[in-house]
Amino acid sequence: EVQLQESGPGLVKPSQSLSLTCSVTGYSITSSYRWNWIRKFPGNKLEWMGYINNAGSTNYNPSLKSRISITRDTSKNQFFLQVNSVTTEDTATYYCARSRITTHYFDYWGQGVMVTVSS
Amino acid sequence: DVQMTQSPSNLAASPGESVSINCKASKSISKYLAWYQQKPGKANKLLIYSGSTLQSGTPSRFSGSGSGTDFTLTIRNLEPEDFGLYYCQQHNEYPPTFGAGTKLELK
Repeated sequence: EVQLQESGPGLVKPSQSLSLTCSVTGYSITSSYRWNWIRKFPGNKLEWMGYINNAGSTNYNPSLKSRISITRDTSKNQFFLQVNSVTTEDTATYYCARSRITTHYFDYWGQGVMVTVSS
Repeated sequence: DVQMTQSPSNLAASPGESVSINCKASKSISKYLAWYQQKPGKANKLLIYSGSTLQSGTPSRFSGSGSGTDFTLTIRNLEPEDFGLYYCQQHNEYPPTFGAGTKLELK
């Protein structure tokens, strides 16, 4: 069964970078599919942030494009999110999720990791 | 971006009842709408995609309808495990966008 698990620090200071890892088991991230990051803000709003696909290409939400980077380590079957210059508005629960190449819905999700931006 | 307006934001019902959740897109998204269930401590669960196609494992008491801009998720004969937070999401174009969520609570 496909499983995704997020990990990373729960607290980040303003102006620093937020770095998260998504570990995938049960499926190779180099096979078909896109590997996404999505976040949920306090108040429950969900925002798609971007993906890295099986070939290593990326696509980011234009609202975040200048601040985020998604990379991967195929040897560990992991992909990563980095958000630069964080503010308190980046406080959210961050999820990784899988989507098909030809569609834009998410069939497997991690449980999420809560990140607070605070000094 | 396509704006998704989901209603109601809160819904209270009893086991055995039927409920409906609505989602309206700011422009036509054809049939490309997904529904998810979110519960604390659990991974989000894809219930329905392409408006009415049940994801493998989704119970038949869940159904989706609609096309264009207006969509509905109906849950018939509510079970205790159905209570939680539900989201719609358009998957017609990038960036994918979500509704604000509907909290389904036990009456």
